[in-house]
Amino acid sequence: GAVVSQHPSRVICKSGTSVKIECRSLDFQATTMFWYRQFPKQSLMLMATSNEGSKATYEQGVEKDKFLINHASLTLSTLTVTSAHPEDSSFYICSASMFPGELFFGEGSRLTVL
Amino acid sequence: KQEVTQIPAALSVPEGENLVLNCSFTDSAIYNLQWFRQDPGKGLTSLLLIQSSQREQTSGRLNASLDKSSGRSTLYIAASQPGDSATYLCARNMDTGRRALTFGSGTRLQVQP
Repeated sequence: GAVVSQHPSRVICKSGTSVKIECRSLDFQATTMFWYRQFPKQSLMLMATSNEGSKATYEQGVEKDKFLINHASLTLSTLTVTSAHPEDSSFYICSASMFPGELFFGEGSRLTVL
Repeated sequence: KQEVTQIPAALSVPEGENLVLNCSFTDSAIYNLQWFRQDPGKGLTSLLLIQSSQREQTSGRLNASLDKSSGRSTLYIAASQPGDSATYLCARNMDTGRRALTFGSGTRLQVQP
C-alpha cells in the first residue's frame, strides 16, 4: 500500500518555541493532506485540510495562526506549531489520499512541550 | 451533529474467540467507511475500506460490513490472537467530497493468551 512518512516521530521542546512536523507521501502524489490531533485515550480530531498550492482549511476551534500548514508540493505538507505551550502536547497524525481512493496515515509525531 | 460511535469501548477476550466490534454513525450519507488498527503510541494501519455501494469487505480473518440504512458497520475478527490486541477505530467519510474522516472513539481490544 501507499506509504506516508512523518518526521520527527518524537519531539520535545521548551515552551515558547516553534516546532515543525513534516508529512510526506513517498510513492504517490497527494493533492490533499489532512492533519489530525489525538490526545491520550481519545480519538483523532481533524485539525485542518491541506491543499497543494493553496491555503489550508481549518476546522472550527483550531487557531490558524498557531498551527501553520504549508503544502508546497504534491508530496510534502508541513505543520508548524508556533509558540508551543504544554497544552499543545499531543500526538499529531497526517494522512494523504490519491483521490478518490482510501486515506493513508503517517506514523504520527508525539510532541511534548515542557 | 455528525458523530461516529463505537461500542464496546474496551474488550478483553481469550485467544481463539470470534468477536464483533460495532460502529454506528448518525448520518446515513456516506462516501466510504474505513476500519483502522492503532497500536499504542503508533499511527494508523488501514484494515478495510468499504465503499458506500458495498455491503462488506474481507481480508484474512477480518470481515467488515456496512449497512447504510441503519447507520452501522461491524468488524468481525475470527479466531482472535494475542497479536490482534490494539485499538480499533472506524472512520466515516461523508459524501461531501472533502474526504476528511470522522473517527469513532475506538475499541481497545485485549486478546489474552
